[in-house]
Amino acid sequence: EAQVTQNPRYLITVTGKKLTVTCSQNMNHEYMSWYRQDPGLGLRQIYYSMNVEVTDKGDVPEGYKVSRKEKRNFPLILESPSPNQTSLYFCASSSITGSSPLHFGNGTRLTVT
Amino acid sequence: DAKTTQPPSMDCAEGRAANLPCNHSTISGNEYVYWYRQIHSQGPQYIIHGLKNNETNEMASLIITEDRKSSTLILPHATLRDTAVYYCIVRVAVRSNNTGKLIFGQGTTLQVKP
Repeated sequence: EAQVTQNPRYLITVTGKKLTVTCSQNMNHEYMSWYRQDPGLGLRQIYYSMNVEVTDKGDVPEGYKVSRKEKRNFPLILESPSPNQTSLYFCASSSITGSSPLHFGNGTRLTVT
Repeated sequence: DAKTTQPPSMDCAEGRAANLPCNHSTISGNEYVYWYRQIHSQGPQYIIHGLKNNETNEMASLIITEDRKSSTLILPHATLRDTAVYYCIVRVAVRSNNTGKLIFGQGTTLQVKP
């Protein structure tokens, strides 16, 4: 089954403790992206990647890092999480040929205390 | 990528057609219009997309104005399960430096009522 898999689904952590949220897709998609969703603010893009070793900032990249060492994986790294990064996070992927739509993961709810 | 504008909320009676508008007045000639929906806090789900012509699939219809500055998503017979947040975005389809950044906005919360 074609899917985007995020892990973990829920995560509670403390300020300053490094964490990684994983994202994996099995559709051989070139494009992958991370979003955060907060009440009243909709979906905001954090980072995106057009292909392996190619990443770029979205609208809210501060406090986040990403890497794209393999085509299928696009982890989101919070080196020193802060409470303002408490949010619902989504990973998405798509082909960059034609008009391929985005496929989203089921989300990761992160709480930073 | 162009930005879209949607009404924050709409109501629709169950069994009736739901017509959700979207303005994208700065859309470029090579940008497609995509619609997604998000039920509760699940991952957004793709519904339909189009470039110039009207499109229909098993979920919905998409009507794009001739000048392409606005579009309407039509759910022909809304059910209670269609209650969700609906997002309209525009995106360049061809491989280019501008295909990465996407702006979703806050979408339209559609409430289908019995």
